[in-house]
Amino acid sequence: AQSVTQPDIHITVSEGASLELRCNYSYGATPYLFWYVQSPGQGLQLLLKYFSGDTLVQGIKGFEAEFKRSQSSFNLRKPSVHWSDAAEYFCAVGAYNTDKLIFGTGTRLQVFP
Amino acid sequence: EPEVTQTPSHQVTQMGQEVILRCVPISNHLYFYWYRQILGQKVEFLVSFYNNEISEKSEIFDDQFSVERPDGSNFTLKIRSTKLEDSAMYFCASTRQGGTDTGELFFGEGSRLTVL
Repeated sequence: AQSVTQPDIHITVSEGASLELRCNYSYGATPYLFWYVQSPGQGLQLLLKYFSGDTLVQGIKGFEAEFKRSQSSFNLRKPSVHWSDAAEYFCAVGAYNTDKLIFGTGTRLQVFP
Repeated sequence: EPEVTQTPSHQVTQMGQEVILRCVPISNHLYFYWYRQILGQKVEFLVSFYNNEISEKSEIFDDQFSVERPDGSNFTLKIRSTKLEDSAMYFCASTRQGGTDTGELFFGEGSRLTVL
């Protein structure tokens, strides 16, 4: 069955520290992979996406993610976290010929000054 | 910047009552979606809608649910007889092209439904 796992429910980092949020997927077809962010009181906003090609993708707000097919992973990274990055982060997977995105449970990021 | 807007932001209702959640998608978008997130659980796909008909729906989207585009701007989700387990945050989304391989979904801020 198709699924997305985000193993970390809650992560706390200090401002300026590096960040890695984990995402593992299980999908039979070639996956299309996404990271969305939800700030308090806001809708989900797309950070970045991977469809094909270069496995390291750059997104908005200084985020990047690397697709590793052998590990079925699509981890999100940022070299230096800002206090404004505190939010909930969702990994999602889609595929050709479907409208449906399958989301993970999300990782809540807390940033300390 | 264009955005998807949803109303109400929070609705409290009694079990068995009908609820309508409203969404105004981005004006030049053609594909519309509803997702929901029960507290502490995953964001789940409910339904996609294009050209005035449902194009895909999940097993969650049973006969209690319906969607409609009553005019050129609104997209609604109706729950006919709410149950306790319908309590969730409901997200509307829209995009210009369908299929998850073609682009970005733009999400609204969500409507929180509480069923008592």
